[in-house]
Amino acid sequence: AQSVTQPDIHITVSEGASLELRCNYSYGATPYLFWYVQSPGQGLQLLLKYFSGDTLVQGIKGFEAEFKRSQSSFNLRKPSVHWSDAAEYFCAVGQYGGATNKLIFGTGTLLAVQP
Amino acid sequence: DAGVTQSPTHLIKTRGQQVTLRCSPKSGHDTVSWYQQALGQGPQFIFQYYEEEERQRGNFPDRFSGHQFPNYSSELNVNALLLGDSALYLCASSLAGSGPSLYNEQFFGPGTRLTVL
Repeated sequence: AQSVTQPDIHITVSEGASLELRCNYSYGATPYLFWYVQSPGQGLQLLLKYFSGDTLVQGIKGFEAEFKRSQSSFNLRKPSVHWSDAAEYFCAVGQYGGATNKLIFGTGTLLAVQP
Repeated sequence: DAGVTQSPTHLIKTRGQQVTLRCSPKSGHDTVSWYQQALGQGPQFIFQYYEEEERQRGNFPDRFSGHQFPNYSSELNVNALLLGDSALYLCASSLAGSGPSLYNEQFFGPGTRLTVL
């Protein structure tokens, strides 16, 4: 069965420092991978997605992610974190079959940013 | 474009009661999916509606049911509420498609926070 693992429940970084959030997936076929961000009281906002092609994907708000098939990983990175990046981040894999599409999410990583 | 809207924002119910949550999809979207997000967890897929029919269902009991209206809006109904049903319920809308594409990205609403006492 498809699954997504986010090993880090909580991460704290200093403002201006670099960030890497880990995501590992289990999927039998070519994975379609997503990173979402959720601020308190908000819904999920898509940061970036990987369907095919270049394994380094650029997203909004200065985020990028790299798909590594050999490691079944899709880690999210940002070179310099801003205080407004404090939020919960979810990695997801898309499952497609027939006429449906659904997302399978990891348990999330809560990011705190220190001044 | 108002995006995906959900109502109500918050809801408090007691065990055994029934609840109805509502979702209006993003303009132009015809498919609505519902997810349950328990505290400290990622969203879990409940079911998806397209053309007023349930198209796929996740691992949720029959107490969870839904409906889609001709204008593509949707309702999620939960009967015989349990304490464990307390969660944030997220609605996502998209365009129907037979596979992944740049055109059937799911857009999420802000959610309805359900508390069962």
